[in-house]
Amino acid sequence: NAGVTQTPKFRILKIGQSMTLQCTQDMNHNYMYWYRQDPGMGLKLIYYSVGAGITDKGEVPNGYNVSRSTTEDFPLRLELAAPSQTSVYFCASSSRESNTEAFFGQGTRLTVV
Amino acid sequence: GDSVTQMEGPVTLSEEAFLTINCTYTATGYPSLFWYVQYPGEGLQLLLKATKADDKGSNKGFEATYRKETTSFHLEKGSVQVSDSAVYFCALVANTGNQFYFGTGTSLTVIP
Repeated sequence: NAGVTQTPKFRILKIGQSMTLQCTQDMNHNYMYWYRQDPGMGLKLIYYSVGAGITDKGEVPNGYNVSRSTTEDFPLRLELAAPSQTSVYFCASSSRESNTEAFFGQGTRLTVV
Repeated sequence: GDSVTQMEGPVTLSEEAFLTINCTYTATGYPSLFWYVQYPGEGLQLLLKATKADDKGSNKGFEATYRKETTSFHLEKGSVQVSDSAVYFCALVANTGNQFYFGTGTSLTVIP
């Protein structure tokens, strides 16, 4: 029972490099989310998607891009990494049905040096 | 807009002490309310939830009651254990929405 799977678990990037954080879910959820969690802070929504082909900005979208070509996958792209993007990134998904919870991946710890 | 405010931490308790973490919310309509727990180095896991007024969510000895009159969803446990040391997040989702709103998290450390 995989749930939400994120890869990689850890990554170190140099300033200006790019990378894609992968997220896949096997629960056939319509909604998917990307959050970042800075040390000692709560969660900030980066982007979310309500279904394949539909994405929308969250609270902190600058410096990131997403796509949703399938129900299962919701990759997050960093084009020009900056030290301010050092954080732990969480992907989550939820059902379209009301009153249901979000399910989280284990997170990707990213350091930009 | 919708929001969640929860008690600032960190909280340090001795084993077997009583725990309360306060959470209040602002939302239109009738949101569902959640408590999530995050253990070190891990993602968030659902601890309990309540979907309508006066519902009580419970799990692993933790409880929270959905109080619409006070817009609150306080987390309680009668006797904490060292293994309860974690960060706890209060959250809501509107019944017509698709975005989750999280509190800032409360770090709990339980000492033997």
